[in-house]
Amino acid sequence: GIQVEQSPPDLILQEGANSTLRCNFSDSVNNLQWFHQNPWGQLINLFYIPSGTKQNGRLSATTVATERYSLLYISSSQTTDSGVYFCAVTPSGGYNKLIFGAGTRLAVHP
Amino acid sequence: NAGVMQNPRHLVRRRGQEARLRCSPMKGHSHVYWYRQLPEEGLKFMVYLQKENIIDESGMPKERFSAEFPKEGPSILRIQQVVRGDSAAYFCASSNSGGNTYEQYFGPGTRLTVT
Repeated sequence: GIQVEQSPPDLILQEGANSTLRCNFSDSVNNLQWFHQNPWGQLINLFYIPSGTKQNGRLSATTVATERYSLLYISSSQTTDSGVYFCAVTPSGGYNKLIFGAGTRLAVHP
Repeated sequence: NAGVMQNPRHLVRRRGQEARLRCSPMKGHSHVYWYRQLPEEGLKFMVYLQKENIIDESGMPKERFSAEFPKEGPSILRIQQVVRGDSAAYFCASSNSGGNTYEQYFGPGTRLTVT
């Protein structure tokens, strides 16, 4: 089955720093989503981005489907950005079930 | 805000008891997905349902687990004779179509603890 790899696994930042999280996938996909799981365990939709670039405030994402990767950019990080960031994909030609990566654990310190 | 709703948010069961987890999809959505997150791990797909039909249950354990999405009412994930290894967060998601290009929206999860 499709493999989804996220890097780095852990990231520590000072407040105000920028960061880039990466998601590689091993096969073609029809759907790619980025999520933030906050320290209380809630899963928050960040982007639905099977291809192209989107921006939402301090966050932006780019997916290059032909090269099988997606990037999530966080600018001017804040302590509330802490948590785990998951990338999830739906392989082409199958049902709409998301395959999740292992996540990037982000800690932003004041 | 008619988001995905799950209840209960926390559930404690003794070994051997039954657990029933409920999920109401977003308004207008008729496709429901259940995922399980074991401690310190990512989410794993369990089952995909439409109203009154199970479409894909490839991620469901073969025994003790079942799911339904009746014509009326919420989707139910049922775990019979729970064991400690069932302790996890169970998330429900919904979408407004079953095609694999549609965004899924997640509920807050139910945290099951088996003692």
